[in-house]
Amino acid sequence: DADVTQTPRNRITKTGKRIMLECSQTKGHDRMYWYRQDPGLGLRLIYYSFDVKDINKGEISDGYSVSRQAQAKFSLSLESAIPNQTALYFCATSDNQGYYEQYFGPGTRLTVT
Amino acid sequence: RKEVEQDPGPFNVPEGATVAFNCTYSNSASQSFFWYRQDCRKEPKLLMSVYSSGNEDGRFTAQLNRASQYISLLIRDSKLSDSATYLCALYTDKLIFGTGTRLQVFP
Repeated sequence: DADVTQTPRNRITKTGKRIMLECSQTKGHDRMYWYRQDPGLGLRLIYYSFDVKDINKGEISDGYSVSRQAQAKFSLSLESAIPNQTALYFCATSDNQGYYEQYFGPGTRLTVT
Repeated sequence: RKEVEQDPGPFNVPEGATVAFNCTYSNSASQSFFWYRQDCRKEPKLLMSVYSSGNEDGRFTAQLNRASQYISLLIRDSKLSDSATYLCALYTDKLIFGTGTRLQVFP
């Protein structure tokens, strides 16, 4: 079984709709992250959480919100989706020891029409 | 100046060739460095961490040059399966990724 899972894997939604992307991990890591990836722009950090009571904005948090429901779960919400939020979204985890390598989920391909 | 810069490529090389990528960074306080591999439309996967003394893993060698602020990845004896995008990443208070260098290995 995958250590980091994301649901849904693909989603098409309409402008103005609320959508939630979910991430679960079995790695036992404290730290979790949400990124979006766009062609030519690379991975950009949306939000991150270092433990259950900690939420931090990343580079591009406008239009997004997150919830850390448990150590193993971190969800990303788009309150009112817009077409320029069409992207590939990745969740990632890391521990808080050593070199902070990150481990990614398989991604969610989101299309906003 | 971007925090992390990579040549987007593509680097087109024949099987068996040696190829090297560099990644420059602007924040001298960066603590840890990594190379990730990303196949098309898949998640990035950690290829190797980059240690100050350099490190090797089979056909892959990573180096760090703090004075000139760059890291490098050398791939020897390229295989078709090495075709992918290679992302460098560095950690200060969070992980910052480069936009990646695309490698295409041809028969």
